[in-house]
Amino acid sequence: DGGITQSPKYLFRKEGQNVTLSCEQNLNHDAMYWYRQDPGQGLRLIYYSQIVNDFQKGDIAEGYSVSREKKESFPLTVTSAQKNPTAFYLCASRTGQSGTQYFGPGTRLLVL
Amino acid sequence: GESVGLHLPTLSVQEGDNSIINCAYSNSASDYFIWYKQESGKGPQFIIDIRSNMDKRQGQRVTVLLNKTVKHLSLQIAATQPGDSAVYFCAENSGYSTLTFGKGTMLLVSP
Repeated sequence: DGGITQSPKYLFRKEGQNVTLSCEQNLNHDAMYWYRQDPGQGLRLIYYSQIVNDFQKGDIAEGYSVSREKKESFPLTVTSAQKNPTAFYLCASRTGQSGTQYFGPGTRLLVL
Repeated sequence: GESVGLHLPTLSVQEGDNSIINCAYSNSASDYFIWYKQESGKGPQFIIDIRSNMDKRQGQRVTVLLNKTVKHLSLQIAATQPGDSAVYFCAENSGYSTLTFGKGTMLLVSP
């Protein structure tokens, strides 16, 4: 069963806490992306990675960190420096052959 | 469910009607465009794409039209069904391996 998985579906963060969102793909895609979605707004790019062990900041990288140690995995850490983390987080991946990005089911992050 | 559609433009249609959703893009150098469908609380699903060397592309019940002169993209859904109710948004590939996304339009289909 191929695709992109994200976990958990819902995540709760306490003040001052770092939390990590998981994204895994078995599509053999080279590039992976993290987006943040707020109600009534378009997707905003947080970080992306085109190859293992390399990643670039997107438009709203402050307060977030990523790693890309394996091709299949691109975890996102929401740090305590992110003062407004409540949002729907979407992971996507893309084969190098086309521009189409395919999305995971998303993780909703809520602050306690 | 998650309210991605809050304050979005809304198109309301009757079941069986044809729907047309519009999108204006920003970069005249964009060479590839995609339409996505997003249901409440879920990740976006790929619907159809078109390259800048084409004006029209058809899929199953969907057609995308590209007008590069006015930087306009439209998605036509034939015989709209209640299951088509969702937020639809376009994306443009303007280089550097990233996409720029529109804010979306909410489509509401009533039986």
